[in-house]
Amino acid sequence: SAVISQKPSRDICQRGTSLTIQCQVDSQVTMMFWYRQQPGQSLTLIATANQGSEATYESGFVIDKFPISRPNLTFSTLTVSNMSPEDSSIYLCSVFSHGSGSNEQYFGPGTRLTVT
Amino acid sequence: RKEVEQDPGPFNVPEGATVAFNCTYSNSASQSFFWYRQDCRKEPKLLMSVYSSGNEDGRFTAQLNRASQYISLLIRDSKLSDSATYLCVVNIGNDYKLSFGAGTTVTVRA
Repeated sequence: SAVISQKPSRDICQRGTSLTIQCQVDSQVTMMFWYRQQPGQSLTLIATANQGSEATYESGFVIDKFPISRPNLTFSTLTVSNMSPEDSSIYLCSVFSHGSGSNEQYFGPGTRLTVT
Repeated sequence: RKEVEQDPGPFNVPEGATVAFNCTYSNSASQSFFWYRQDCRKEPKLLMSVYSSGNEDGRFTAQLNRASQYISLLIRDSKLSDSATYLCVVNIGNDYKLSFGAGTTVTVRA
């Protein structure tokens, strides 16, 4: 299994500012993902964080708004830029881990962001 | 059309009851299927994978119908601790990206 921590756990930010969320994993993993969960909704994949190359973004998400870093196999950051109230959401990082006979995605505890 | 659709519920059931709910997926090329559980204000956690032949894990039974493109979850002998939102999750390709349903809320009452 993989143990994932995220910082900060929550924040309240003013519109127009940016917030960087950190994700730390206790083991080296190839695949890291960033998801968003808006209030009352399910998870939506933002991007795949690739080590050594640019992140791969899903439709509707762009690098200028959500820049991602992946400096090594245990760490990634997601920045929410030029925030607006619509960015209020929970942001979760996730890793894919091959267990013995099973494949599972593990999620961090999430960062609860409120933009005022 | 959403890739994964679920009945949002809520399903309110007494302890000991059986509750079952489905989810449908739109992409016939989907390869892997899962049920995740999400407690209030917590991250999703894998409940069980869903295999073609159907599978059971204790009180939980999952079924997959590829022809009709739906997945089901049945919970027997419901416990208070089963109260949660159950997320139907599908992986389409080999890239490990997951598509999530909006979740089915189950509340088990004493």
